[in-house]
Amino acid sequence: DQQVKQNSPSLSVQEGRISILNCDYTNSMFDYFLWYKKYPAEGPTFLISISSIKDKNEDGRFTVFLNKSAKHLSLHIVPSQPGDSAVYFCAASQNTDKLIFGTGTRLQVFP
Amino acid sequence: ETGVTQSPTHLIKTRGQQVTLRCSSQSGHNTVSWYQQALGQGPQFIFQYYREEENGRGNFPPRFSGLQFPNYSSELNVNALELDDSALYLCASSRNQEVNTGELFFGEGSRLTVL
Repeated sequence: DQQVKQNSPSLSVQEGRISILNCDYTNSMFDYFLWYKKYPAEGPTFLISISSIKDKNEDGRFTVFLNKSAKHLSLHIVPSQPGDSAVYFCAASQNTDKLIFGTGTRLQVFP
Repeated sequence: ETGVTQSPTHLIKTRGQQVTLRCSSQSGHNTVSWYQQALGQGPQFIFQYYREEENGRGNFPPRFSGLQFPNYSSELNVNALELDDSALYLCASSRNQEVNTGELFFGEGSRLTVL
């Protein structure tokens, strides 16, 4: 029973364009949603988060949107850069730092 | 500020053996969590330690055990290794606080291969 799902295992985007990574969840009790980025041979690094009481959070080129009625969140990266190429994990928590992760989406940004 | 460090980075064991993985938390962090990331999967929560006590456990059998020391460093022990235990084991530290936003600081991981 996977509570956090990332249905696209990979995404390829041209440099300068928008990257949109999607995530669905099933547990309506989650109160924080996070995105982590992972490069090969490194641990995941925190990218951006959103509280369940908000529908948008922006940090530079990164924006996360939350649609609670659809139990869906997305990460927008604009403009995409080659250095953004990594695996992106969506995660959720319930007032705890014990996270439930999705399976990840590998983003490749090509010139 | 020292980040999260894990050792060893790679190791190979055979079925039935035991393994101990180590983690030093980021300075100022009093909580350590362990995650297992199997190939092609996202990290799965194993357990968390706070003030040297287990503070939550995921769906892992008792042969997965841990310790936290007074300096907040931690160990993950796995007994009676099985082939499916082959994975990247990630340690993450955080500051236990009233409102948990879920921001964790991960180490690079220990890659365990069980033959």
